[in-house]
Amino acid sequence: DIQMTQSPSSLSASVGDRVTITCRASQSISSYLNWYQQKPGKAPNLLIYAASSLQSGVPSRFSGSGSGTDFTLTISSLQVEDFATYYCQQSYSTPVTFGQGTKVEIK
Amino acid sequence: QVQLQESGPGLVKPSETLSLTCTVSGGSISSYYWTWIRQPPGKGLEWIGYIYYSGSTNYNPSLKSRVTISVDTSKNQFSLKLSSVTAADTAVYYCARRSWYSYDSRGYSYYYYYMDVWGTGTTVTVSS
Repeated sequence: DIQMTQSPSSLSASVGDRVTITCRASQSISSYLNWYQQKPGKAPNLLIYAASSLQSGVPSRFSGSGSGTDFTLTISSLQVEDFATYYCQQSYSTPVTFGQGTKVEIK
Repeated sequence: QVQLQESGPGLVKPSETLSLTCTVSGGSISSYYWTWIRQPPGKGLEWIGYIYYSGSTNYNPSLKSRVTISVDTSKNQFSLKLSSVTAADTAVYYCARRSWYSYDSRGYSYYYYYMDVWGTGTTVTVSS
């Protein structure tokens, strides 16, 4: 199985901050990487697919980059509604695997 | 727009079989893959498996011996059965649509899969 490791596991930030979350795969996965946002008690919501493609309806302050083993999710200017947990997920091979999550909290 | 809704018992006894159904509304179940994912309390996401509308399946090896996913296109539903459950199977269970983005390059077709529509989730507790 491909292991996905996110860092940090949690972070505190203020509204307006630029936030970066990193995801590392245990082997090369090309650009087969997706990002999801999950708020408490809700289902995950797709933000980015294929490493850098913005899902329809997702604000442009979210962006993704990377290929191979190292990937980044960036929120350019953190908004109140962005406080949530973020997961990366590889779709290179089955079993599909997720990172352990990064919780973004209010400073 | 397409919506998914999970249904099934919220409490299952140890050693019994967990059975859930996901109803697809606002669109056809045809031409897509359909996925089950779970999330234990306070933990991350675990992929259980998916089924194509034609019936072909792919399961997580860690659960494969206990999992069956099936589809009923006439009802626009797909289902999950997980046998011999234990307390470790207590989780929120989500159904989701597996969509894809594809492009052709140098004679090859590349497919990038992702889960773009999710149900609200249903909590299943395994307890006697």
